[in-house]
Amino acid sequence: SAVISQKPSRDICQRGTSLTIQCQVDSQVTMMFWYRQQPGQSLTLIATANQGSEATYESGFVIDKFPISRPNLTFSTLTVSNMSPEDSSIYLCSVELIFRDSMNTEAFFGQGTRLTVV
Amino acid sequence: AQKVTQAQTEISVVEKEDVTLDCVYETRDTTYYLFWYKQPPSGELVFLIRRNSFDEQNEISGRYSWNFQKSTSSFNFTITASQVVDSAVYFCALSEAVGYQKVTFGTGTKLQVIP
Repeated sequence: SAVISQKPSRDICQRGTSLTIQCQVDSQVTMMFWYRQQPGQSLTLIATANQGSEATYESGFVIDKFPISRPNLTFSTLTVSNMSPEDSSIYLCSVELIFRDSMNTEAFFGQGTRLTVV
Repeated sequence: AQKVTQAQTEISVVEKEDVTLDCVYETRDTTYYLFWYKQPPSGELVFLIRRNSFDEQNEISGRYSWNFQKSTSSFNFTITASQVVDSAVYFCALSEAVGYQKVTFGTGTKLQVIP
């Protein structure tokens, strides 16, 4: 399994500011994923982050608004820029873990960052 | 394109009742994975099960059981003798089995177990 730590677990931020969310994994992983869960909604993939390359963003999400860093195989950050109340959501990072003995894979999720923008 | 439909938005049951959460999916892939996750009020996502599309055997784990029917593209989840601690939002999800594991989530079913 993988242990994923997200910081902060929650925050209340002022409109117009930016927040950087950190995701630390206890295993080296190739891909890390960032999801957004708006209040009462399902999870939506924001982007996929590979180490050493630019993140790949899903439709509706842009790098200027959600810059992502992936400096090594165990860490990633997601920044929510120039925040507005509509950005109030839970943000989750996820990793894909490959079990080399069976070649099965599994997706693991962090505990999420609950962001409120006022 | 992949799609996961959870038609039940909210379900309320009395403790000790059995409850089934429905999940219907769409994919063009012949190989894929199906998941169920639990999200309690605290917000974290708890992995419950992962099923490979080639494995249609039903699975039972304690009070939980899953019925995978490839012919109807359904992956239903049953909780037997429900408990208050089962109250949560449950998400069904689908991922590619080739390439990166992008996970497509359903909209979730909120289960409330009343004591």
